[in-house]
Amino acid sequence: AQSVTQLGSHVSVSEGALVLLRCNYSSSVPPYLFWYVQYPNQGLQLLLKYTTGATLVKGINGFEAEFKKSETSFHLTKPSAHMSDAAEYFCAVTPSAPYGGATNKLIFGTGTLLAVQP
Amino acid sequence: EAQVTQNPRYLITVTGKKLTVTCSQNMNHEYMSWYRQDPGLGLRQIYYSMNVEVTDKGDVPEGYKVSRKEKRNFPLILESPSPNQTSLYFCASSLTKGPLPYGYTFGSGTRLTVV
Repeated sequence: AQSVTQLGSHVSVSEGALVLLRCNYSSSVPPYLFWYVQYPNQGLQLLLKYTTGATLVKGINGFEAEFKKSETSFHLTKPSAHMSDAAEYFCAVTPSAPYGGATNKLIFGTGTLLAVQP
Repeated sequence: EAQVTQNPRYLITVTGKKLTVTCSQNMNHEYMSWYRQDPGLGLRQIYYSMNVEVTDKGDVPEGYKVSRKEKRNFPLILESPSPNQTSLYFCASSLTKGPLPYGYTFGSGTRLTVV
């Protein structure tokens, strides 16, 4: 079964420091990958997604992620953290269908809560 | 404004008392889904619907019902709620029959407590 693992349920960084949130997937074929962000008391918002093509994907709010097939990873980064980045971040995967294309499932990781210290 | 609206935002109820959480989208989306979010478990899919009158079970459907009589509405029904259904619930929708290519649009969530 395909799955998503997020290493570190809590990550704390200083304002201005690099943000690195880790995500590894388990899949026999390259899946489609997403990062979502959840601010307090809000729903999830799409940050970025990888489908095909360029493996470095840029998203909103200065975040980016790189799809590395050899490492089965899709880590989320931001060069300089801002206080407003404090939120919970979810990595998610849509498995590829056997015939090509994508299934309609979206499988979430367990989330990483990012704290930004002044 | 394009959005997914859930009601209520907060609900405290007693074991066994039937309840419905409503979900409505104004984007003419075909696909709608319900998730529950629990600490340490992430989001797990309860039910989804590919179109009107087409629904199917997700990963954790036990104790829940859904219906899709109109394209815009996808209510979640708990016929006899139990304390293990205390959770944060999210409704999501998508223009296409799945998360590609636009991802899902999520509602703001319903925090349910069953005592």
